[in-house]
Amino acid sequence: EAGVVQSPRYKIIEKKQPVAFWCNPISGHNTLYWYRQNLGQGPELLIRYENEEAVDDSQLPKDRFSAERLKGVDSTLKIQPAELGDSAVYLCASSSSPVSNEQFFGPGTRLTVL
Amino acid sequence: GQSLEQPSEVTAVEGAIVQINCTYQTSGFYGLSWYQQHDGGAPTFLSYNALDGLEETGRFSSFLSRSDSYGYLLLQELQMKDSASYFCAVRPGSISGAGSYQLTFGKGTKLSVIP
Repeated sequence: EAGVVQSPRYKIIEKKQPVAFWCNPISGHNTLYWYRQNLGQGPELLIRYENEEAVDDSQLPKDRFSAERLKGVDSTLKIQPAELGDSAVYLCASSSSPVSNEQFFGPGTRLTVL
Repeated sequence: GQSLEQPSEVTAVEGAIVQINCTYQTSGFYGLSWYQQHDGGAPTFLSYNALDGLEETGRFSSFLSRSDSYGYLLLQELQMKDSASYFCAVRPGSISGAGSYQLTFGKGTKLSVIP
């Protein structure tokens, strides 16, 4: 069974530029999460989707971050414009349901903003 | 809000046993999870405790005491490949049920296994 796929794995951009990350969850997983992980910290939830609906986006900085999950499968997280402080690893995870005890994480996208 | 405390670094010898502690403060509590993350890799699920007691999965065991807001991960017969960061994560709860599906992670414990 294929795991969670993310691309790109690495991205370097200059501040004020836009950037987008893509995630393909495990087949059949209706719940999808985007996390941000700063160096030496644990993952922090940005947004959670149930199918195509964003049901928890309270931690998403909405002035510059946006996300979508069209058709309830793949998801895209966008930052526009990027700031220096956005440098981090952006992790996508999925689970079979919101009450599942196990979340499956992708390898992440390491973003560096110069 | 929620807060979790775990040691930042632990070093242990190959073949030995190591315990990584986690204390938490949450508004409501559903369960405690543990994840392993190798450098540059994805976090992977290790265990979940919702009830008091010890859960064993091979060389790894996890313990929970709800009354003490405390848990630990026990790694036995340490191998070099166990060198990684280990995160405890809580699933908090609220009166309305909002946020109960959200995991809050600790800052992680970097385990170094030496020969």
